[in-house]
Amino acid sequence: AQKVTQAQTEISVVEKEDVTLDCVYETRDTTYYLFWYKQPPSGELVFLIRRNSFDEQNEISGRYSWNFQKSTSSFNFTITASQVVDSAVYFCALSEAEGNEKLTFGTGTRLTIIP
Amino acid sequence: KAGVTQTPRYLIKTRGQQVTLSCSPISGHRSVSWYQQTPGQGLQFLFEYFSETQRNKGNFPGRFSGRQFSNSRSEMNVSTLELGDSALYLCASSLIRRGRIYNEQFFGPGTRLTVL
Repeated sequence: AQKVTQAQTEISVVEKEDVTLDCVYETRDTTYYLFWYKQPPSGELVFLIRRNSFDEQNEISGRYSWNFQKSTSSFNFTITASQVVDSAVYFCALSEAEGNEKLTFGTGTRLTIIP
Repeated sequence: KAGVTQTPRYLIKTRGQQVTLSCSPISGHRSVSWYQQTPGQGLQFLFEYFSETQRNKGNFPGRFSGRQFSNSRSEMNVSTLELGDSALYLCASSLIRRGRIYNEQFFGPGTRLTVL
């Protein structure tokens, strides 16, 4: 069975600090996909990034960066120079195999950026 | 391009009633998935439809059902509502191409259902 663990329930940082959100996953599949979604107070889940299991290249997009390590089954997300607009709940998710649209979500990390 | 739309946005029902929620995917998207979000259970997958066929189903009782129309719009129905069905119901659509690599799902704003 697949499982996603986000051990950090809530994080608060002062604006402009860097913050890393942790995600650990479990799956028996050799091909799988990992995602990060952001859920602002409005409730809509906003897609941030997708990574497949055979691409461990880390990625930077503006203030966001992601660290995917298969050896530790982790897919961590870092926000550099945080801003108040980054305040939201962040979800890590896992999907197994192509053609399977089912996402297994972690419990989410509530991030609060203090002005 | 318009995003995923869900109607209604808010709904209040009483125990024992039934409810139908609607989802219109992004134009061209043929896969529609439904998720339930509650404070206790988090985000849980309900089911996924593609070309009017249910392809995948989560671990929910038979009171939860859905369907997809030829224009890819989808509805989900919950019969005999229970207090525990109070939740945010999220719909997501994705683009399915022949031989595609997994595509991201785009979520709608959700329908917040309250069961009294």
